[in-house]
Amino acid sequence: GENVEQHPSTLSVQEGDSAVIKCTYSDSASNYFPWYKQELGKRPQLIIDIRSNVGEKKDQRIAVTLNKTAKHFSLHITETQPEDSAVYFCAAPPGGNTGKLIFGQGTTLQVKP
Amino acid sequence: DAGVTQSPTHLIKTRGQQVTLRCSPKSGHDTVSWYQQALGQGPQFIFQYYEEEERQRGNFPDRFSGHQFPNYSSELNVNALLLGDSALYLCASSLGQRGYTFGSGTRLTVV
Repeated sequence: GENVEQHPSTLSVQEGDSAVIKCTYSDSASNYFPWYKQELGKRPQLIIDIRSNVGEKKDQRIAVTLNKTAKHFSLHITETQPEDSAVYFCAAPPGGNTGKLIFGQGTTLQVKP
Repeated sequence: DAGVTQSPTHLIKTRGQQVTLRCSPKSGHDTVSWYQQALGQGPQFIFQYYEEEERQRGNFPDRFSGHQFPNYSSELNVNALLLGDSALYLCASSLGQRGYTFGSGTRLTVV
């Protein structure tokens, strides 16, 4: 079946600490893994994505790692800042069809100053 | 370069009524996908339109229907509204399957 599990549901860190959010997907054919950030009352915005032919991708303070064997991928945010506070969603396309995304349940990240 | 625009931004409807939501894709995009996001949940895929046809559909009843116009804009129609249809409805446009960009959404409240 099509399923994406995301943990934790809430995460609170001190400013400057690192935050890690993990997702597990069920369809081994999934080949694209985006992460979205959604601030209160706003649209989901793509912050980083990774394709199945690489194991890690980094963009400044944000990185995503992928373990295809275990079918899980993780978002890593280093040197967190208060403006990183938001809800983060992972997603995966079932059957490798990137036209349809199955989203995780979301993680509410709070960065305390 | 305009992003994805959705209208209206907010809407209140009575149970049993019908509603139409609109989406204009980002310039250069030809594919429109619709999602429903209940409060505190991740977006759930409703359907996708390409070349004026529904190409994929999620697990939503036939009360949910859509349309895509020759200029790539799209409408989402929901008939016989239920209280449980209250949600944020998001439109995402892309060029084929790439470059997913979300609009700001329409907040639908059914009373």
